[in-house]
Amino acid sequence: GEDVEQSLFLSVREGDSSVINCTYTDSSSTYLYWYKQEPGAGLQLLTYIFSNMDMKQDQRLTVLLNKKDKHLSLRIADTQTGDSAIYFCAEYGGSGTYKYIFGTGTRLKVLA
Amino acid sequence: KAGVTQTPRYLIKTRGQQVTLSCSPISGHRSVSWYQQTPGQGLQFLFEYFSETQRNKGNFPGRFSGRQFSNSRSEMNVSTLELGDSALYLCASSLEGTGGEKLFFGSGTQLSVL
Repeated sequence: GEDVEQSLFLSVREGDSSVINCTYTDSSSTYLYWYKQEPGAGLQLLTYIFSNMDMKQDQRLTVLLNKKDKHLSLRIADTQTGDSAIYFCAEYGGSGTYKYIFGTGTRLKVLA
Repeated sequence: KAGVTQTPRYLIKTRGQQVTLSCSPISGHRSVSWYQQTPGQGLQFLFEYFSETQRNKGNFPGRFSGRQFSNSRSEMNVSTLELGDSALYLCASSLEGTGGEKLFFGSGTQLSVL
């Protein structure tokens, strides 16, 4: 079946690292994504990783993929108050599905 | 380049009514998908359109329908509204709707059903 799960809340102090975790079930997923949603706005793509990669780094963001355990994580280094938002992981549902499956979202709160 | 535009921004309806939401994709994008967002449920996939054809549909009742026009603009319709249909409805566009593409989201239509 298709399911993407995330914890609902995460609170960190400014300057610390944040790690947001996600598990998915569809082993045929070729691409996995992290999107960010700020209040009153739609989602914006932060980064994505192809399923044959283990890690991808983009400035303060590091994505780790454990394909065996179907586990994806997003690490934000030096977390700032502006990083407070909801973070969604998503998988592309496989070739020919034309469907992206999103998780429940993790609300990150950064404390000053 | 203009972003994805959704209208209206807010909508208040009563049970039993119907509603039509509109989405204008980014120029050149041919794929438009729709999602329902509710607290604790994340984004639930409604359907995806490409070149006026529905290519995939989520697990929603037949009261939820959509269409896409030749200029790629899309509408979704919900008939016989229920209280549980209250949600933020988001549309997203991309070039082809295939994996590896970036989805561009609109700001959504907040629907409240009283």
